[in-house]
Amino acid sequence: KNEVEQSPQNLTAQEGEFITINCSYSVGISALHWLQQHPGGGIVSLFMLSSGKKKHGRLIATINIQEKHSSLHITASHPRDSAVYICAVNFDRTAKLVFGAGTILRVKS
Amino acid sequence: NAGVMQNPRHLVRRRGQEARLRCSPMKGHSHVYWYRQLPEEGLKFMVYLQKENIIDESGMPKERFSAEFPKEGPSILRIQQVVRGDSAAYFCASSADYSNQPQHFGDGTRLSIL
Repeated sequence: KNEVEQSPQNLTAQEGEFITINCSYSVGISALHWLQQHPGGGIVSLFMLSSGKKKHGRLIATINIQEKHSSLHITASHPRDSAVYICAVNFDRTAKLVFGAGTILRVKS
Repeated sequence: NAGVMQNPRHLVRRRGQEARLRCSPMKGHSHVYWYRQLPEEGLKFMVYLQKENIIDESGMPKERFSAEFPKEGPSILRIQQVVRGDSAAYFCASSADYSNQPQHFGDGTRLSIL
């Protein structure tokens, strides 16, 4: 069965802390996406990756294809980073996204 | 605004009515995806369309739901004879190609059934 698991489900951090959110998947993929959703808001695509590592500002995404695992890191976290972070994958040769349950992040000042 | 445009942002319907949700993809994008987010649940794929064609509708409920993406105009997700369980946020995304391209999401339509 094609599944995507995220951890933790909920995460509370103090402003300035380094944050890691994990994602694992069950079978081969062609791409993995990290998305951000604010309460009641739309969905923003943060990263799309199929190998290695990508960085944008304070956000870093890594993927290990052999271990079927990806991490999203936030350095120097800020209250405005509070949101739901969602991992999604394209399983091989499929266009549709399969989503993890999301990680609810709250950064306190 | 060159992003994915969805309308309406909020839609209220009574049980038994029809709901029509619209999605205009980003300029230059010919691939459209519809996803549904039920209350307190994660996002789930519904349907994938290219211009005038349904490519994958494996996530669509068998009855009352239909989708189209005509040659001209927006993609439409249509729900007939709505029920309370249809209350959800419906998101549209678009991409320039089906693989190796990110999907860009709209702000969603929040459908409430009275």
